[in-house]
Amino acid sequence: QSALTQPASASGSPGQSITISCTGTGSDVGYYNYVSWYQHYPGKAPKLIIHEVIHRPSGVSNRFSGSKSGDTASLNISGLEAEDEADYYCSSYTTTRTVVFGTGTKLTVL
Amino acid sequence: QVQLLESGGGDVQPGRSLKLSCAGSGFRFGNYAIHWVRQAPGKGLEWVAVIWSDGSNQYYGDSVKGRFTVSRDNSKKTVYLQMNSLRVEDTAMYYCARDTGMTDFDYWGQGTLVSVSS
Repeated sequence: QSALTQPASASGSPGQSITISCTGTGSDVGYYNYVSWYQHYPGKAPKLIIHEVIHRPSGVSNRFSGSKSGDTASLNISGLEAEDEADYYCSSYTTTRTVVFGTGTKLTVL
Repeated sequence: QVQLLESGGGDVQPGRSLKLSCAGSGFRFGNYAIHWVRQAPGKGLEWVAVIWSDGSNQYYGDSVKGRFTVSRDNSKKTVYLQMNSLRVEDTAMYYCARDTGMTDFDYWGQGTLVSVSS
């Protein structure tokens, strides 16, 4: 049950777009379309921003979008804003009926 | 509105036990699976366990399997996490979260802090 692999950090200037990758295996990301993304501010509860690879919950900005190819899922954030500076985690359902999170990416808005 | 409230955290010595609670309100508690997720200081999120809506099944992360037990009482709208044989590495903020049905978590509690040290 190894964590999904994410880059430790990402950065971009306001208005730019960034993409965060999330690499798993054929037993999790590659097997199911049950990949989610969470935005996490320190000291706060994580917030669901993408579910089932591509779907945005109501109220989440359309600047956030998700995709998947093979064993790798991606989160794209367009039109970066200062408030996007946070930690981002992916997660996936697995073939053993468990859930695995990604290693997390710290996003810095320059 | 939907709320989850964790309680029961605290300081405990290695080898001892602790029981966390997660109380839900504002939704049909018995219709949802509930997960426990933790975050150790300076580390990322780690999935701990899940209990299905009717309590019929539970699954655990490898690091807690055999030591932690998740249970629920739908009449009290509460899920529990019994943590035995605690280790220093179990020190973390523990969150409970509601499963939408597709193993994504749409509501989270604010967390309860568990500190294991001698």
